[in-house]
Amino acid sequence: EDQVTQSPEALRLQEGESSSLNCSYTVSGLRGLFWYRQDPGKGPEFLFTLYSAGEEKEKERLKATLTKKESFLHITAPKPEDSATYLCAVQTGGSEKLVFGKGTKLTVNP
Amino acid sequence: DAGITQSPRHKVTETGTPVTLRCHQTENHRYMYWYRQDPGHGLRLIHYSYGVKDTDKGEVSDGYSVSRSKTEDFLLTLESATSSQTSVYFCAISSLGVDEQFFGPGTRLTVL
Repeated sequence: EDQVTQSPEALRLQEGESSSLNCSYTVSGLRGLFWYRQDPGKGPEFLFTLYSAGEEKEKERLKATLTKKESFLHITAPKPEDSATYLCAVQTGGSEKLVFGKGTKLTVNP
Repeated sequence: DAGITQSPRHKVTETGTPVTLRCHQTENHRYMYWYRQDPGHGLRLIHYSYGVKDTDKGEVSDGYSVSRSKTEDFLLTLESATSSQTSVYFCAISSLGVDEQFFGPGTRLTVL
């Protein structure tokens, strides 16, 4: 059974304090790994897709990386507006479905 | 933003009553999905559609049915709502099924 585990469940940072969120996965043949951001009361917003180990993608203060067992979402010099829940999901070969982790709730204090 | 709307956005109903949630897209995407999101469980797939009249079950499909008679509309029906179906329901769309999914704003359903 495909599993996705995100850690930590919650993370509090001071503005400017860089850190990383982790997404570890156990799947039979990864096709893609997806990162989403979700603000309270809203639907998830797509951030990145990673397809192969060693791949990296960046958007503003966020950088996502992928290895054969996990993905990291690095947040550099975060701002309060980066506060949200970050979701990781995987898709396996032959499937049109995503399996989501439970998310990491990030709070950035000014 | 992807053109996805959900209706209603909020609904309160009683146990045993039928409920239908609607997802409408303007992107002409082939794939549509229904998820529920609950504290401690994250997003779980209920049903999905890979074309008009083509649907399949997700991991939590019991108690739910779906229909897709047009490319743009995907309906989720709770035939007889139970309190365990109190949740936030999200619709998502995908062009190819193997690419990213885009989510709607959600429907908060409360079953008393």
